[in-house]
Amino acid sequence: AQKITQTQPGMFVQEKEAVTLDCTYDTSDQSYGLFWYKQPSSGEMIFLIYQGSYDEQNATEGRYSLNFQKARKSTNLVISASQLGDSAMYFCAISLVTSYGKLTFGQGTILTVHP
Amino acid sequence: ETGVTQTPRHLVMGMTNKKSLKCEQHLGHNAMYWYKQSAKKPLELMFVYSLEERVENNSVPSRFSPECPNSSHLFLHLHTLQPEDSALYLCASSQAAGPAVEQYFGPGTRLTVT
Repeated sequence: AQKITQTQPGMFVQEKEAVTLDCTYDTSDQSYGLFWYKQPSSGEMIFLIYQGSYDEQNATEGRYSLNFQKARKSTNLVISASQLGDSAMYFCAISLVTSYGKLTFGQGTILTVHP
Repeated sequence: ETGVTQTPRHLVMGMTNKKSLKCEQHLGHNAMYWYKQSAKKPLELMFVYSLEERVENNSVPSRFSPECPNSSHLFLHLHTLQPEDSALYLCASSQAAGPAVEQYFGPGTRLTVT
């Protein structure tokens, strides 16, 4: 079975600074997808960025980028130039080829951006 | 309406009640999902529907009964729930039920079982 671990329950960052949120995963499958979602206090999950297990380049999407280290089974999210609106819960998730799109989520990291 | 909508946004029900949660997606997607988010626990997948056929049932108790009448609508019928079923129930949809496809979530229904 696959597992996602986010070891940082909470993180703080100053506005305009960069922050890295950690995520490690455990799976014996070779083919999978890794996702990051943002959940503001309103409750809706917002898709941020995706990395495929066979992608050789680190994914980037605007201010979001991934530091994907396949051998270490980690996919850390980097948010550059933090904004107050980035304050939210962030979830890392994995989906296996064999799983009909089932997302397995980590426990989440609460990010607070200070002005 | 755009994206994924869910109604009601909040629901309080007794353990003997029967209620239904509704989800509608306006994205032309072919797969829909129900997730449960309890306090202090990761999101848990409950059901997956692909082209209106249930393809995943993640060991969910029978007091939760999903229904997918067409690719745009998904229901979760609730009966004789327990207080531990109180949670945020999130619906999602995706182009297809696959590993490399992002899922789009609705705002959720906050359920309280008394």
